[in-house]
Amino acid sequence: EVQLVESGGGLVQPGGSLRLSCSASGFTFSSYAMHWVRQAPGKGLEYVSAISSNGGSTYYADSVKGRFTISRDNSKNTLYLQMSSLRAEDTAVYYCVKGGAAIFDYWGQGTLVTVSS
Amino acid sequence: QSALTQPASVSGSPGQSITISCTGTSSDVGGYNYVSWYQQHPGKAPKLMIYEVSNRPSGVSNRFSGSKSGNTASLTISGLQAEDEADYYCSSYTSSSSYVFGTGTKVTVL
Repeated sequence: EVQLVESGGGLVQPGGSLRLSCSASGFTFSSYAMHWVRQAPGKGLEYVSAISSNGGSTYYADSVKGRFTISRDNSKNTLYLQMSSLRAEDTAVYYCVKGGAAIFDYWGQGTLVTVSS
Repeated sequence: QSALTQPASVSGSPGQSITISCTGTSSDVGGYNYVSWYQQHPGKAPKLMIYEVSNRPSGVSNRFSGSKSGNTASLTISGLQAEDEADYYCSSYTSSSSYVFGTGTKVTVL
C-alpha cells in the first residue's frame, strides 16, 4: 500500500523558514517523480514544485521560485521542501504527491503551514 | 500559468447525471491528452478519479467518465449518489512542462 506521510508544518512568522518532509513507503520511491501541491484555507489546489526521480531536474511555480527548494533522499525514501522568506500567502495545507505518467496518483494527508505574526 | 476554468458549483438529484467542464488553452488542455480529475471531500486529501482524459484508476466507480473536445475537458458523474458530494478539480500538463489545476467545482446532491 502506498503511503505518503508529511511532517514539519506549523506556525512561522513572516520572513521565517520551515522544512517539510514526506516519508514514502509502499512503492519504489527512487523510480518516481514527486510533487508538492498546496491548498490555502478555503481555496483551490496550487501546483508548487516537482522533482525528477533522480533529483536531477526540478520545477517551481513562479509564486515560490527563489524562496522554496525541493529535494529528495532516495536512500531514505524521503521528499523535502525547504521554505524560506515565508509570506502570509504561503499559508496552506501542503500535500506530498506521487507522480505517475502525467498524473498525481497518490496524495499524503497534508501538513498545515501557517505564516503569521 | 492561469488556472483552468471550472464552474463554481454544479448540483443534481440522486440518480441524475451531471457534467463538470474544465476549460483551458491549446497550451494545456487542448495540447495534451494529460487531463486528470480529482475528488476532494472536506478535510481530506484529493483522490484521483480520471487520468489521461478518460481512464479510470482501479477501484473508481464506472459512474465517473471523462472526455475532451478542443480546449475543454469534461467529467460526467452518472447515477449521482450522496457520496459524490465533494469538490472536484481538473488538472492538465502544460507546454511549460509543468501542471495546472482547475478552479474547482463544488458538487451538491440535492
